[in-house]
Amino acid sequence: AQSVTQLGSHVSVSEGALVLLRCNYSSSVPPYLFWYVQYPNQGLQLLLKYTTGATLVKGINGFEAEFKKSETSFHLTKPSAHMSDAAEYFCAVSSSGTGNQFYFGTGTSLTVIP
Amino acid sequence: DAGVIQSPRHEVTEMGQEVTLRCKPISGHNSLFWYRQTMMRGLELLIYFNNNVPIDDSGMPEDRFSAKMPNASFSTLKIQPSEPRDSAVYFCASSSGTSGSPSTDTQYFGPGTRLTVL
Repeated sequence: AQSVTQLGSHVSVSEGALVLLRCNYSSSVPPYLFWYVQYPNQGLQLLLKYTTGATLVKGINGFEAEFKKSETSFHLTKPSAHMSDAAEYFCAVSSSGTGNQFYFGTGTSLTVIP
Repeated sequence: DAGVIQSPRHEVTEMGQEVTLRCKPISGHNSLFWYRQTMMRGLELLIYFNNNVPIDDSGMPEDRFSAKMPNASFSTLKIQPSEPRDSAVYFCASSSGTSGSPSTDTQYFGPGTRLTVL
């Protein structure tokens, strides 16, 4: 079975400050990990994903995430927050194999304070 | 390029009525996914199709829900009869990966249909 836990349903940062959104996963097989962003009244948009290879993954809009197997984590970071980063962020996990499924976390709402 | 198109964007109906949600995937994409988003349960994958064939419908909550994909450019999600607990935002997504699974393919989401069942 697989699951995703996002720590902190709401995160507030000042403009220009570091953004850190936490995601921990549970998976009995090697996971594939994703971060999606959802702006108000819109669908989800992929920020980045990890499948295999390099554990530090760079995505769009200056975001990156690092897969840490020992910590079962895939935290999302951005060095300097912009006002336009205010949105809902979802971590998701899946795996290969038959009967694979795709599980989203409950989301973290990011507020950027001017 | 047109993204994933969903209609209607908003639907308000009364309990017991049939509801049909529609989705047009991105042209050339061969996989289509239906999700439901609620405050209580977050985002849930309901069903996905590959090359118009349903691959995994284990997320469909009960027999009142059904989904079809008669061709590569159209899919429907039907709820009959609808209940207040079905109120949610329903998203359709499509992808062009060859595996046709949610595992690794990048999915492109539509804007969603906000369903309210009174």
